[in-house]
Amino acid sequence: QSVLTQPPSVSGAPGQRVTISCTGSDSNIGAGYDVHWYQQFPGRAPRLLIYGNNNRPSGVPDRFSGSKSGTSGSLAITGLQAEDEADYYCLSLDRSLSGSRVFGGGTRLTVL
Amino acid sequence: QVQLVQSGSELKKPGASVKVSCKASGYSFTKYGLNWVRQAPGQGLEWLGWINTNTGYPTYAQGFTGRFVFSLDTSVNTAYLQISSLTAEDSGLYFCARDRHQWLIPEFWGQGTLVTVSS
Repeated sequence: QSVLTQPPSVSGAPGQRVTISCTGSDSNIGAGYDVHWYQQFPGRAPRLLIYGNNNRPSGVPDRFSGSKSGTSGSLAITGLQAEDEADYYCLSLDRSLSGSRVFGGGTRLTVL
Repeated sequence: QVQLVQSGSELKKPGASVKVSCKASGYSFTKYGLNWVRQAPGQGLEWLGWINTNTGYPTYAQGFTGRFVFSLDTSVNTAYLQISSLTAEDSGLYFCARDRHQWLIPEFWGQGTLVTVSS
């Protein structure tokens, strides 16, 4: 059971916008720690999608964006494409765990 | 370009030990932290900890102290994860991942090493 809670699944039709939430607490996101997001295809290594709440590494399309408010973070994907179907994970730090990194439980995105 | 190449799949019996390697290239090895992440079959990502490649000092996540050991051989730009007293619950895909520049988060990942523990 992760300290960061994500919905197990979300879905959307091609071209639509979807959001994935990452809910933490005052010991992690609410303590001021940044939220980061990863995309993972089955059997493959994760890919850093968003870092520092709303920054994209080079090569990540601007269809992907992130935000943070209070004890939660959010990943938004606009203009949904079939190739976006994957698992998405948030990551933050938690001061109750001696500053350890913690992943959310993951969200499976299905493109209908 | 940054590359992390991990050792191949392992099949071990319960009670045995395993050592996974992660060879880095394309950057200055001792300038970036190196993380270890596990993914049990059908499950999510779990951060095991990280090692400071400059000092060799390891930090383990809660629940991963004792049987899990991170080490380095800086002469060959390689990090190691050793797990002892293996049980079936240790089965999974183990990733090494280098920190992003100026951020304490994994960015560049190895391909993963599958560890299977079965009698």
